[in-house]
Amino acid sequence: AAGVIQSPRHLIKEKRETATLKCYPIPRHDTVYWYQQGPGQDPQFLISFYEKMQSDKGSIPDRFSAQQFSDYHSELNMSSLELGDSALYFCASSRGGAGDTQYFGPGTRLTVL
Amino acid sequence: GNSVTQMEGPVTLSEEAFLTINCTYTATGYPSLFWYVQYPGEGLQLLLKATKADDKGSNKGFEATYRKETTSFHLEKGSVQVSDSAVYFCALRKGDYKLSFGAGTTVTVRA
Repeated sequence: AAGVIQSPRHLIKEKRETATLKCYPIPRHDTVYWYQQGPGQDPQFLISFYEKMQSDKGSIPDRFSAQQFSDYHSELNMSSLELGDSALYFCASSRGGAGDTQYFGPGTRLTVL
Repeated sequence: GNSVTQMEGPVTLSEEAFLTINCTYTATGYPSLFWYVQYPGEGLQLLLKATKADDKGSNKGFEATYRKETTSFHLEKGSVQVSDSAVYFCALRKGDYKLSFGAGTTVTVRA
C-alpha cells in the first residue's frame, strides 16, 4: 500500500540558511500534519492542514511557514535556521480531517551546523 | 490540556518474556488513544488504537484496552521477540487535529 512520502530524507544546512521539506500524503488523504522530534524527545505537533486550509497550529516558530497545495502535498519552509532546529521532521496524513487515524512518513532528518 | 504520561524506560527483556508498558492520560471526555512504534532509524508506525471506553486494540500480538475508569491504555505482549526492540509511544487525540505523545519507552529484547 502507498505510504506517506517525505523528501529529502536527510538535509544538512548552515545556521541562518533556509530549508524546504516536502510531504506527499497517502492518495485520497486530504489532511496533512507536521511534527518535530528532537533527539530523544517525543514528537511535537507543529501545524496541520485540511483541504488546503490551516486546521490547527502548535508550537511552530514564526520562522517556519507551511502550506498545502491543490494536489494535497505540503511543504514546510524553515528560514533563519538555528542549531536547535536540528531534528527529525515527520509528516503524517489522514482522510477526513480530525477524526481519522494519522499515518506517518519516514521523516526528514535536518542537521543545522 | 490533554496529556499522556508513559512509563519511563529503558526496558530490557529476554525473548519470550511478558511486556507491559504503562500509559495514563489526562483529557476531558473520550479521547482516541493510540500506540505508535518507532524502530531504529525509521518513522512512526501505528501499532494499534482504540476510540471508545472498553475498546481493545490489537496487532502483531500486542494489545491495549481503553480503561476510562483508570484513564489508562497499557500496552501488553505475552511473548516478545528480538524484532520488537523499538521505542513505543502512547498518544491521544481529543477533538482537535493534533496527536499528543508520551515521552516514549525504549524496549530492548535480548536473545
